[in-house]
Amino acid sequence: EAQVTQNPRYLITVTGKKLTVTCSQNMNHEYMSWYRQDPGLGLRQIYYSMNVEVTDKGDVPEGYKVSRKEKRNFPLILESPSPNQTSLYFCASSLGWGSHGYTFGSGTRLTVV
Amino acid sequence: AQTVTQSQPEMSVQEAETVTLSCTYDTSESDYYLFWYKQPPSRQMILVIRQEAYKQQNATENRFSVNFQKAAKSFSLKISDSQLGDAAMYFCAYQRTALIFGKGTTLSVSS
Repeated sequence: EAQVTQNPRYLITVTGKKLTVTCSQNMNHEYMSWYRQDPGLGLRQIYYSMNVEVTDKGDVPEGYKVSRKEKRNFPLILESPSPNQTSLYFCASSLGWGSHGYTFGSGTRLTVV
Repeated sequence: AQTVTQSQPEMSVQEAETVTLSCTYDTSESDYYLFWYKQPPSRQMILVIRQEAYKQQNATENRFSVNFQKAAKSFSLKISDSQLGDAAMYFCAYQRTALIFGKGTTLSVSS
């Protein structure tokens, strides 16, 4: 089944403890993106990648890192999480620019205490 | 920078009725794509409908259709014969390179 897989789905962590949210897609998509969703703010892009080893900042990149060492994986790293990073996170992938649209993962609910 | 605006935070509709969700966007580009995504309580993001900016014909997918007004930079979603399962948050999105979302409209459907 074609899909984007994010793990974990739920995570509660403490301030300052490094964490990684994994994202993998099995559709050979070129584009991958990370979004965070907060009430009243919609989905805001954190980082995106249009190809292996190519990443760019989105609208809210502060406090996050990404890497794209291989086409299928695009992990999101929080080196020192803070409570304001408590949010719902989505990974998404797309075949490329065009009308394909993005396929989304199931989301990761992160709480930083 | 491109922006997407959904001016209706909440909408409601009766079953079997028709509802229209509004979306406007701002861009200086002439070639781009527009989408409507649905997010039910399960929080899964589901692509509802897409529109290519170079096509004048409005996209239609079963009960879902759009009214695309390129000059006015308007992209509204019409849901006909509304069903209880249509209750969700709906996001309008613009894509040139990155996919940019509006803040969403919560649609409730009553029987």
